[in-house]
Amino acid sequence: EVQLVESGGGLVKPGGSLRLSCAASGFTFNSYSMSWVRQAPGKGLEWVSSISLLSNYIYYADSVKGRFTISRDNAKNSLYLQMNSLRAEDTAVYYCARDPRGYDFDYWGQGTLVTVSS
Amino acid sequence: ELVLTQSPATLSLSPGERATLSCRASQGVSNYLAWYQQKPGQAPRLLIYDASNRATGIPARFSGSGSGTDFTLTISSLEPEDFAIYYCQQRSNYRFGQGTKLEIK
Repeated sequence: EVQLVESGGGLVKPGGSLRLSCAASGFTFNSYSMSWVRQAPGKGLEWVSSISLLSNYIYYADSVKGRFTISRDNAKNSLYLQMNSLRAEDTAVYYCARDPRGYDFDYWGQGTLVTVSS
Repeated sequence: ELVLTQSPATLSLSPGERATLSCRASQGVSNYLAWYQQKPGQAPRLLIYDASNRATGIPARFSGSGSGTDFTLTISSLEPEDFAIYYCQQRSNYRFGQGTKLEIK
């Protein structure tokens, strides 16, 4: 059974940093691109970042470029999102998702809430 | 930049009725379009990928069609569990549409 479990969310002050993790199991992690998608309270879905199998292709939404860094450790079956210079508008539930075809997401974690507030 | 526009914003129907949801792209996306269902407090679930392919475990009452700029998600006969928010998403810049809320009439 495919499982994606996010962790690392919490309350952080504007300008602060947070690192999210996603532990993957039930599939061959190093065979799939992975992504982060977020959802602000009461809002729609926003793609954040994607990383290819070997980390040689990395993409970011304009809203987070230069502040967020996606990475993965295939030996640990884990995906990460380092978030720096956080803003109030980054407040959202962050989901990690498996990317089987280069754009769509067939499995999602349960999400982790990030709240940026003073 | 490529934008997806979903319509209607809200669709009010009764169980057993047919639902037709639209997603229009501002530029052609070939057939690289996916549809998701999201219920309150849950992660999204992939329904359709590449415009018309049902994802694993998705009931046959869900179908997708279209190519280029105009796409449709059809639910042939609504079940109570189908009332949710539906999003489309494309490959060019991974962006999602703003969603269509399917509510019980």
